[in-house]
Amino acid sequence: DGGITQSPKYLFRKEGQNVTLSCEQNLNHDAMYWYRQDPGQGLRLIYYSQIVNDFQKGDIAEGYSVSREKKESFPLTVTSAQKNPTAFYLCASSFGDRGDYGYTFGSGTRLTVV
Amino acid sequence: QKEVEQNSGPLSVPEGAIASLNCTYSDRVSQSFFWYRQYSGKSPELIMSIYSNGDKEDGRFTAQLNKASQYVSLLIRDSQPSDSATYLCAVNPPNTGFQKLVFGTGTRLLVSP
Repeated sequence: DGGITQSPKYLFRKEGQNVTLSCEQNLNHDAMYWYRQDPGQGLRLIYYSQIVNDFQKGDIAEGYSVSREKKESFPLTVTSAQKNPTAFYLCASSFGDRGDYGYTFGSGTRLTVV
Repeated sequence: QKEVEQNSGPLSVPEGAIASLNCTYSDRVSQSFFWYRQYSGKSPELIMSIYSNGDKEDGRFTAQLNKASQYVSLLIRDSQPSDSATYLCAVNPPNTGFQKLVFGTGTRLLVSP
């Protein structure tokens, strides 16, 4: 079955450490997105990618980096420059240019700073 | 003004009642609209999409869109305790040739047995 897979489900980061969250999809979607969700808040866009080897900053890109080397994969690195990284991270994908299908979300990664 | 606004709730309804969830958006020429359900600790799942003025029904769910008044609503008939979740409204801004949804902060629905 097609879907979008995020790993790990839970991640613990020490102060000053970079961590990478994985996102893989087999839906043949062109576009992929990373969102952050904090308790009681909506989804905030970190980065998005319309096609391979291209990505754009979202509303809260500072302290994060991404790559899009393959259509199926869009990993997110949370760098030490991100001062408050504890949150629920959601990866999503869509057909991109077809605005009527919405997003498919992965199951999320919960990141905690220890 | 936020681009997509929702009442945070909680909206409490008894089992079997109709739950009505509302969402307003700021950009008059927005094209497509989506409702997602998010259970606590889980990721959002798409339950309804709507693009044209009027109603769209799918089982117990009805989405209503009024572009002139810039609101979209979700009705849940015969509400069940399993419907208790946060409902996110999402709007696709004016056509830039690319889909980049803007989400509201969600309305928490509680259905009591």
